[in-house]
Amino acid sequence: NAGVTQTPKFRILKIGQSMTLQCTQDMNHNYMYWYRQDPGMGLKLIYYSVGAGITDKGEVPNGYNVSRSTTEDFPLRLELAAPSQTSVYFCASSYSTGTGGTDTQYFGPGTRLTVL
Amino acid sequence: AQSVTQLGSHVSVSEGALVLLRCNYSSSVPPYLFWYVQYPNQGLQLLLKYTTGATLVKGINGFEAEFKKSETSFHLTKPSAHMSDAAEYFCAVSDQAGSQGNLIFGKGTKLSVKP
Repeated sequence: NAGVTQTPKFRILKIGQSMTLQCTQDMNHNYMYWYRQDPGMGLKLIYYSVGAGITDKGEVPNGYNVSRSTTEDFPLRLELAAPSQTSVYFCASSYSTGTGGTDTQYFGPGTRLTVL
Repeated sequence: AQSVTQLGSHVSVSEGALVLLRCNYSSSVPPYLFWYVQYPNQGLQLLLKYTTGATLVKGINGFEAEFKKSETSFHLTKPSAHMSDAAEYFCAVSDQAGSQGNLIFGKGTKLSVKP
């Protein structure tokens, strides 16, 4: 198993450009998550999905969009990049039976994004 | 609302010394607590977690943590530090408001190990 894979590893965007961060997992996990990690700030949840076709906002969703058309893929879209979106983005997945909160999340290696 | 506070953004220990990383949480419901480790340029990896039952939880690489409800703490310890333990450590509490298992992370503690 490759686990959770993310592409690209690095990207530099200009203000106003758009891009999609790709995330794929091969563990047949139903739950998937997108986090951003800013220096000294820990991780904050952007969006999550509890299954194909179902997505919901996390703590910091503004400026982002997601879709979940398959179990494996959970892309994150930035429509109009802003310097405030400079961060490291992590995708994660978990298998949950819906009992809430005890599941281990498996993280990808991250995408380092700079917006200039 | 739930929150996590990690005391000390940087901790430095000598190889072979005790490692103690502090985590306090705030939760209105019985918490599920986690410690994750992040090695340089990598994603996060689960070290250990507390859900229910025994309050002393053992994890990978010789780490353990004790859930103390009266102190609202979940400190991470390791008796003897190794150079390979140098990394950033994140404490997290699970958001149990729904069934989504969303994690609320602390700001992290960077552990340095001196030879």
